[in-house]
Amino acid sequence: NAGVTQTPKFQVLKTGQSMTLQCAQDMNHNSMYWYRQDPGMGLRLIYYSASEGTTDKGEVPNGYNVSRLNKREFSLRLESAAPSQTSVYFCASITQGGDEQYFGPGTRLTVT
Amino acid sequence: GESVGLHLPTLSVQEGDNSIINCAYSNSASDYFIWYKQESGKGPQFIIDIRSNMDKRQGQRVTVLLNKTVKHLSLQIAATQPGDSAVYFCAEREWNYGQNFVFGPGTRLSVLP
Repeated sequence: NAGVTQTPKFQVLKTGQSMTLQCAQDMNHNSMYWYRQDPGMGLRLIYYSASEGTTDKGEVPNGYNVSRLNKREFSLRLESAAPSQTSVYFCASITQGGDEQYFGPGTRLTVT
Repeated sequence: GESVGLHLPTLSVQEGDNSIINCAYSNSASDYFIWYKQESGKGPQFIIDIRSNMDKRQGQRVTVLLNKTVKHLSLQIAATQPGDSAVYFCAEREWNYGQNFVFGPGTRLSVLP
């Protein structure tokens, strides 16, 4: 049982490049989340998916798109990376009706 | 919008002493609160939670206190150990908004030998 996994762990992009951050969970959770974490700030919600086939915007969705590929996988795409998107990105999941969110190890993204 | 914040951004304590980390929240409709621990290079890990119908909950070496009157949450760590050094986050949830949480900025706890 790996929990929540994220790839890659580190990534450096040039402004304007695109990339997809991958997230998978093996706990049969319904809801999945993407957060970004910036120095001195709490985790901010980018997008979430309450169930397979649904996605909703969070607090800071601009510049991102998501895909809930199946129950296990929830990807985050940056179509045209900007330096303001330099951050650490965390994926999380939670079971329906559950309380505790389980987090992945994070992806550290730098956009130059 | 609603927010969750912390009073102290950094806290240094002597090994063996007790630590108290504070959190203020502004959404009076929040009904559930969690404390997370985040070690360097890792994702947040659940420590302890409390529902709004309680004012105290104890775990192993940790206690969470909730004061709804002043919208204040605290995490107490007894006999702080070097392994407790980390960033601690509080998070709140309003059930009407599903399972989405609002996170505070975090407090860094440093345990001195």
